[in-house]
Amino acid sequence: DGGITQSPKYLFRKEGQNVTLSCEQNLNHDAMYWYRQDPGQGLRLIYYSQIVNDFQKGDIAEGYSVSREKKESFPLTVTSAQKNPTAFYLCASTRDYTGELFFGEGSRLTVL
Amino acid sequence: AQSVTQLDSQVPVFEEAPVELRCNYSSSVSVYLFWYVQYPNQGLQLLLKYLSGSTLVKGINGFEAEFNKSQTSFHLRKPSVHISDTAEYFCAASNRDDKIIFGKGTRLHILP
Repeated sequence: DGGITQSPKYLFRKEGQNVTLSCEQNLNHDAMYWYRQDPGQGLRLIYYSQIVNDFQKGDIAEGYSVSREKKESFPLTVTSAQKNPTAFYLCASTRDYTGELFFGEGSRLTVL
Repeated sequence: AQSVTQLDSQVPVFEEAPVELRCNYSSSVSVYLFWYVQYPNQGLQLLLKYLSGSTLVKGINGFEAEFNKSQTSFHLRKPSVHISDTAEYFCAASNRDDKIIFGKGTRLHILP
């Protein structure tokens, strides 16, 4: 079955450490997105990529970095510069211009 | 710029009663509208979408929504809810030239 796979589902990190969240899709979608979800704040866009080797900052890109070396993969690195990284992170992709998103199951990051 | 407003952060409703979750959007151009559902610790799933054509859209799990251009609304309805409908619901809007925008979400609580 086609879909989006995020890993790990749960991750704990000490302050000052970088961590990378994986996102892989086998839907053959061109565009991929990373969102951050905090209680009561909805989804906030971190980064998005519409094509391989190209990506753009979203609304809250500070303290995060991404790469898009392959169409199928869009990993997100949460750096030590992110002041409040504890959150639920969602990866998504779109197949056309309508903006209908297909989501992964999410990764919950907790900073200890 | 687009914006999406979900007027209620939480909606309690008795089991087997009808429910309406409200969503208003602002956009100066043609817009595509979506409702997504999120169960605890999971990603978002598409409930239904409006792209064009009939203003009454039917989705999964017995949900439907009506696109009202004059009131810039896209309210979600279900005639009879079940305990399994307990979840958070997100309204989203997009167009060809702008980012996908999400509302802050509405938590639906089903009371026995």
